[in-house]
Amino acid sequence: QVQLQESGPGLVKPSETLSLTCTVSGDSFSSFYWSWIRQPPGKGLEWIGYIYDSGSTNYNPSLESRVTISEDTSINQFSLKLSSVTAADTAVYYCARARGSRPNFDYWGQGTLVTVSS
Amino acid sequence: DIQMTQSPSTLSASVGDRVTITCRASQTISTWLAWYQQKPGKAPKFLVYKASTLESGVPSRFSGSGSGTEFTLTISSLQPDDFAIYYCQQYNSYPYTFGQGTKLESK
Repeated sequence: QVQLQESGPGLVKPSETLSLTCTVSGDSFSSFYWSWIRQPPGKGLEWIGYIYDSGSTNYNPSLESRVTISEDTSINQFSLKLSSVTAADTAVYYCARARGSRPNFDYWGQGTLVTVSS
Repeated sequence: DIQMTQSPSTLSASVGDRVTITCRASQTISTWLAWYQQKPGKAPKFLVYKASTLESGVPSRFSGSGSGTEFTLTISSLQPDDFAIYYCQQYNSYPYTFGQGTKLESK
């Protein structure tokens, strides 16, 4: 059974960089798309981006100038960095696995709340 | 970006009812549509992909249909565990986008 677990600071100051890591267990790291999705409190879901195929990435254009997703396949982890954060970036951040030639999100982490506040 | 619009926003129903949630795309997405179920404080759960294919382990009372721009998720006989928020999501083109959600609540 695939398991994903997010980790990282729950509080980030405005203008700083949000950094989260997702640790994957229970399955091979290869052949999938490893994704970040966020959900502001009480609101809907927003796809941030994913990494696949040994380092290729695809980002949501609305966040692309501030987002970096990277991976460390040796320890089955991938990471999110979001720079210059504001209060609008306060959200529950989920990591998720996506599969298929047209990937969709079949396994999700439990999510971690990141609050942007001074 | 492709906009996904769900209706209704809230649906009140009783155990045993047949319920249908609609999702409309702002442009054609073929059948590249998924459905998710989310309960309070939990991550979304993957239910349906390619508009009508049930993910392994999802009860057969769930079914999806549609193509192009109009899609539905139907629960044939509502169970207590089904009260949740349901989201559709298109994966026809980047950026992937979700509907705003339909809250299925107990009448």
